[in-house]
Amino acid sequence: GAVVSQHPSWVICKSGTSVKIECRSLDFQATTMFWYRQFPKQSLMLMATSNEGSKATYEQGVEKDKFLINHASLTLSTLTVTSAHPEDSSFYICSARDTGGTEAFFGQGTRLTVV
Amino acid sequence: LAKTTQPISMDSYEGQEVNITCSHNNIATNDYITWYQQFPSQGPRFIIQGYKTKVTNEVASLFIPADRKSSTLSLPRVSLSDTAVYYCLVHSNTGKLIFGQGTTLQVKP
Repeated sequence: GAVVSQHPSWVICKSGTSVKIECRSLDFQATTMFWYRQFPKQSLMLMATSNEGSKATYEQGVEKDKFLINHASLTLSTLTVTSAHPEDSSFYICSARDTGGTEAFFGQGTRLTVV
Repeated sequence: LAKTTQPISMDSYEGQEVNITCSHNNIATNDYITWYQQFPSQGPRFIIQGYKTKVTNEVASLFIPADRKSSTLSLPRVSLSDTAVYYCLVHSNTGKLIFGQGTTLQVKP
């Protein structure tokens, strides 16, 4: 299947700092990318949908000023967690859908720990 | 809200065939059915996708009845390494991917 690369795989940051997570589609173009967070023993929760060249659409209850999403090209989307706090510690996962296709592929995830 | 309902957990033994059924009573005409597998601390991995009837690939089969209100993922001869969470998603080619609870499959020796 197609490859989606997410970086970094894990990050530890201090409370109050910002962290950027990158999501790249390596062998296909992705007009649409999705960002999720997942807490232990729970399912993936959709945070936002980003379309290349336009503003992201956030799910209800997700603060757009705290979770900044940029999708500047057809192969790269970034999620920036601003002013991180311990409660933001989670597993963040991105997904990219092949332009014109029906399948979506996921990155390996980023474990964020805020101390 | 997720459009799908799956059993929360299933147990099986190595070498057996496992069938996981997903209910999606409100599936729309332009919706596809996609199954993913997830191991702990990893992103979901695409298994199979279908629209109707039967789809088969090198790892699984997907059976979809004519009314498309349910689907069954079939894993032939499972091994210990198939222990994972399996998610069934229903979505259009432009719609959001919403995850339900998933099915935790435990394969025993």
